[in-house]
Amino acid sequence: EVQLVESGGGLVQPGRSLKLSCAASGFTFSDYNMAWVRQAPKKGLEWVATISYDGSSTYYRDSVKGRFTISRDNAKSTLYLQMDSLRSEDTATYYCARHPAHYYYSDYWGQGVMVTVSS
Amino acid sequence: IQLTQSPSLLSASVGDRVTLSCKGSQNINNYLAWYQQKLGEAPKLLIYNTNSLQTGIPSRFSGSGSGTDYTLTISSLQPEDVATYFCYQYNNGLTFGSGTKLEIK
Repeated sequence: EVQLVESGGGLVQPGRSLKLSCAASGFTFSDYNMAWVRQAPKKGLEWVATISYDGSSTYYRDSVKGRFTISRDNAKSTLYLQMDSLRSEDTATYYCARHPAHYYYSDYWGQGVMVTVSS
Repeated sequence: IQLTQSPSLLSASVGDRVTLSCKGSQNINNYLAWYQQKLGEAPKLLIYNTNSLQTGIPSRFSGSGSGTDYTLTISSLQPEDVATYFCYQYNNGLTFGSGTKLEIK
């Protein structure tokens, strides 16, 4: 069974940093591109970043470029999102998601982790 | 590509045939998926590549469309289908629609 479990969320002040983790199991992690998707409270879904199966390619939405870094450790089957220079508008539930082979929709999602940016 | 979903709120009766719309600002080339999100839960994939049903999803869900216009149809609405439905395009960038909230009348 595919499982994605996020951790590392919490309350952080504007301008500070936070690192999210996503532990994957139930599939060969190193075979799949992975993504982070977020959802602000009572709002819609927003793709944040994608990383290729081997970590060689990364893609970001414009509003997080230069502030967020997606990475992975295939030996640990873990996906990461390093978030620096956080802003109030980054407040959201962050979901880890798997892209199936050859496509960029997400077929499996974690349960999400809340990040609140507030002073 | 911007995605516009309509209606934003839909109220229907159990057993009704329900149609949700998603319109792109440009050609999506059938790279269109649909997600269901129930209150307090993560999104769940229903349909990918316009009309392919994800494993384990009931056959009352179906997708269709081409070009800029796409549709999710529920052939016979069930109480457990109460949720918000999002379309998502992966043809040019990665963007979600704003969602259609589906309620039981």
